Amino acid sequence: EAEVAQSPRYKITEKSQAVAFWCDPISGHATLYWYRQILGQGPELLVQFQDESVVDDSQLPKDRFSAERLKGVDSTLKIQPAELGDSAMYLCASSQSSYNSPLHFGNGTRLTVT
Amino acid sequence: GENVEQHPSTLSVQEGDSAVIKCTYSDSASNYFPWYKQELGKRPQLIIDIRSNVGEKKDQRIAVTLNKTAKHFSLHITETQPEDSAVYFCAASIDYKLSFGAGTTVTVRA
Repeated sequence: EAEVAQSPRYKITEKSQAVAFWCDPISGHATLYWYRQILGQGPELLVQFQDESVVDDSQLPKDRFSAERLKGVDSTLKIQPAELGDSAMYLCASSQSSYNSPLHFGNGTRLTVT
Repeated sequence: GENVEQHPSTLSVQEGDSAVIKCTYSDSASNYFPWYKQELGKRPQLIIDIRSNVGEKKDQRIAVTLNKTAKHFSLHITETQPEDSAVYFCAASIDYKLSFGAGTTVTVRA
């Protein structure tokens, strides 16, 4: 079964440093999502792409977070500078379409900011 | 935006018993309701979903019911087994935007 690939699996960084996460969705999935999951909570949408275009980034802290999906395939999420409160699991997901289509999640990147 | 509340936050059941998790949503325009299971250290995985034009859906030991009037939906797991132990998340979607509940940690006691 095809899976969403994410790297790195774990990342430890000091506050004020830059950090980047990578995601490769399931082949053919036009919609890509970045979620943040704080321990004990449900995933929270940060940004959603339809092909290479941003559909929703209303919850993305744009002063420090950026996301891109230049060729409409893989995607990068960046944080600069990282803050202590950014420690969380960052999940990437993809779906065939943006309308009520099941999400397939990657294994996530566990970020710890010290 | 959509607000999804999930109860209970933790649930402990004896193996073989049933487990029920309930969720409510705030926006009557929500039209898609998936449930995800997340085992410790693993990715969330879709276990069942229901659309607003359906009242109930079953898949083996798992069933979901939807009450649009009351704006709530529930997950039912029958004949629970140890491998059902996990965190379960409900979600509600308006068009393309999916909002998740806070999760229910289910523990199945042997």
